[in-house]
Amino acid sequence: DVKVTQSSRYLVKRTGEKVFLECVQDMDHENMFWYRQDPGLGLRLIYFSYDVKMKEKGDIPEGYSVSREKKERFSLILESASTNQTSMYLCASSAGTGFGYTFGSGTRLTVV
Amino acid sequence: AQSVTQPDIHITVSEGASLELRCNYSYGATPYLFWYVQSPGQGLQLLLKYFSGDTLVQGIKGFEAEFKRSQSSFNLRKPSVHWSDAAEYFCAVGAYSGGGADGLTFGKGTHLIIQP
Repeated sequence: DVKVTQSSRYLVKRTGEKVFLECVQDMDHENMFWYRQDPGLGLRLIYFSYDVKMKEKGDIPEGYSVSREKKERFSLILESASTNQTSMYLCASSAGTGFGYTFGSGTRLTVV
Repeated sequence: AQSVTQPDIHITVSEGASLELRCNYSYGATPYLFWYVQSPGQGLQLLLKYFSGDTLVQGIKGFEAEFKRSQSSFNLRKPSVHWSDAAEYFCAVGAYSGGGADGLTFGKGTHLIIQP
């Protein structure tokens, strides 16, 4: 079964910490995405990548960066975590828009 | 830019009753359209998708959706719901830019509650 794996289900970090959220896919997909999900706001695109070392800003990139050194791995980085970044983070991968996305199970991040 | 509206935040349906979840989109050309389901604490699972061809598409778990271009809608239906259908449902629209994959734009979701 194809998979997108997010390294942590739950994470608690302190304000100001540098936080890494890791995502790995085993489907050889070109495209990978990071979304955050908040009640009443749905899913909002943070960053996406359509190739190794390529990245594009989504709708809410402020306060985040990403890294894609290998095709299967896409990391989301919070340079200096803040309480307003407390959220559910969802990673997804895709062979192309028409194929839809495969999502990971999510990482619930709490910044205290 | 594309956008998606799911007018109903919550819907309550009795077990065994029919279901329709509404989705309206805004996009200049023919979009890719998707419905996803999210169980509590889980990621999203693809139910069905539409790009071209037959406007009535069948998905997993007995769901179907109908694309109506004139109404810019892509409503999700199920003839008889089960308690296990209780979840959050997301409609999404996507486009292909030609230079890479654009991110999907999601609606804010509809929370489905099943009454016994």
